[in-house]
Amino acid sequence: GENVEQHPSTLSVQEGDSAVIKCTYSDSASNYFPWYKQELGKGPQLIIDIRSNVGEKKDQRIAVTLNKTAKHFSLHITETQPEDSAVYFCAAGDYGNNRLAFGKGNQVVVIP
Amino acid sequence: KAGVTQTPRYLIKTRGQQVTLSCSPISGHRSVSWYQQTPGQGLQFLFEYFSETQRNKGNFPGRFSGRQFSNSRSEMNVSTLELGDSALYLCASSLEPPTDTQYFGPGTRLTVL
Repeated sequence: GENVEQHPSTLSVQEGDSAVIKCTYSDSASNYFPWYKQELGKGPQLIIDIRSNVGEKKDQRIAVTLNKTAKHFSLHITETQPEDSAVYFCAAGDYGNNRLAFGKGNQVVVIP
Repeated sequence: KAGVTQTPRYLIKTRGQQVTLSCSPISGHRSVSWYQQTPGQGLQFLFEYFSETQRNKGNFPGRFSGRQFSNSRSEMNVSTLELGDSALYLCASSLEPPTDTQYFGPGTRLTVL
C-alpha cells in the first residue's frame, strides 16, 4: 500500500518567515495530495490539495508543489503568523477513492 | 452548514468491552470514512461507507466494524477492546464519489483501561 513520509518532524520559524514541509510517497498510482492542519483538540482541517495533473497550487499564503517524477510534494507557508502553529499532515491517495495514507505529521511552531 | 459531528467526544472503557461510536456527516454528504489516530502510528484508514455499503477497508482486524444508515449517518464498533485500541477516532465525510475533499469531525477520544 501507499507509504507517506514527512520531514522534518518539528519546525520552528520566526513570525513572518516562511515554512516548508516536505513529503514523499511511494505509490506512483497516487494522484491526489491534500494537506491538513490539526489544532489541539480538533480534527484535521483541509487547507489545500493538489491533483497529479497540476504541478503547483496556491491559496493566499499557502502553496503546494508536486514533483511526480521524484514522488514528493511540499507545503509552503509564507508570512507565517502565530495562528499557523499546529500539526500539519500530508496525505496521498487515489482521487475519488476516499482512502488516504497520511504522513506522521509536522509540528510547526511560529515564534512571535 | 454544520460540520461533521461525532458522539461521544470522550469515552472510557475497560479491556474486553465493546464500544460504538457515531458520526453524522455534513448535510448532503453521502460518503463517510473512519480513521484511527495514535501518537505512534499516526492517522490510519479504517473503512469507508457509501450508500450503506462498505466501499474501502483498511488493514485492521475484524474486531473493527462499521455501518451506514440510509440518512448517511455512520457508526463504528470495536469489540473485545484491547489497550492498544486507545486512540482518537476520526470520521470524515465527503460528497458522492468520485470526489476528493474529505471533511473531518472533532473525533472521539477512546481510552481503554
